[in-house]
Amino acid sequence: GDSVTQMEGPVTLSEEAFLTINCTYTATGYPSLFWYVQYPGEGLQLLLKATKADDKGSNKGFEATYRKETTSFHLEKGSVQVSDSAVYFCALIYNQGGKLIFGQGTELSVKP
Amino acid sequence: EAGVTQFPSHSVIEKGQTVTLRCDPISGHDNLYWYRRVMGKEIKFLLHFVKESKQDESGMPNNRFLAERTGGTYSTLKVQPAELEDSGVYFCASSLGVGELFFGEGSRLTVL
Repeated sequence: GDSVTQMEGPVTLSEEAFLTINCTYTATGYPSLFWYVQYPGEGLQLLLKATKADDKGSNKGFEATYRKETTSFHLEKGSVQVSDSAVYFCALIYNQGGKLIFGQGTELSVKP
Repeated sequence: EAGVTQFPSHSVIEKGQTVTLRCDPISGHDNLYWYRRVMGKEIKFLLHFVKESKQDESGMPNNRFLAERTGGTYSTLKVQPAELEDSGVYFCASSLGVGELFFGEGSRLTVL
């Protein structure tokens, strides 16, 4: 069945370090891909999305490119801040209004 | 505008007891979803309401779980009787049509 796999956490970085959180997926069709973020004490928020191959989603300095050939959607940020500390979830969906399939989440901790 | 609100934020109960979680979606959102994250694993879909009707309940784990959405407004998720493996964070989300899902902060359930 369809699934999403993320790199294991927790990930601990120093402020201004480069961030990569790997995400790969298994899908029978052509899903849309998402990154959600959960900051401490808050709900899940949509961080960015890409709806077709080679699309790049970006928001708040984060980027991810939909790579169909490698079935990946890795999250990157050039310089992380303490405020980026959160749990990040990669997810896919086949059609809006359908159900999201999530990865297991990756906890990021950024130290000053 | 108020977001998706969930109550309680944390519930601790004994095995065999009953717990009811409540979700108030964003006003006007016909679509309401329940998801669950168990033991730091992936967030899994439980069910989807469109107004008061269950559109998809394929993720409900067993008949100890009962979800309702009377009147198409707020929703409740009852677990009766609760088992240890039901511990986790239960997320509710709502959407307008086939648009973006907006998530609540989650209700953490601990079954002892």
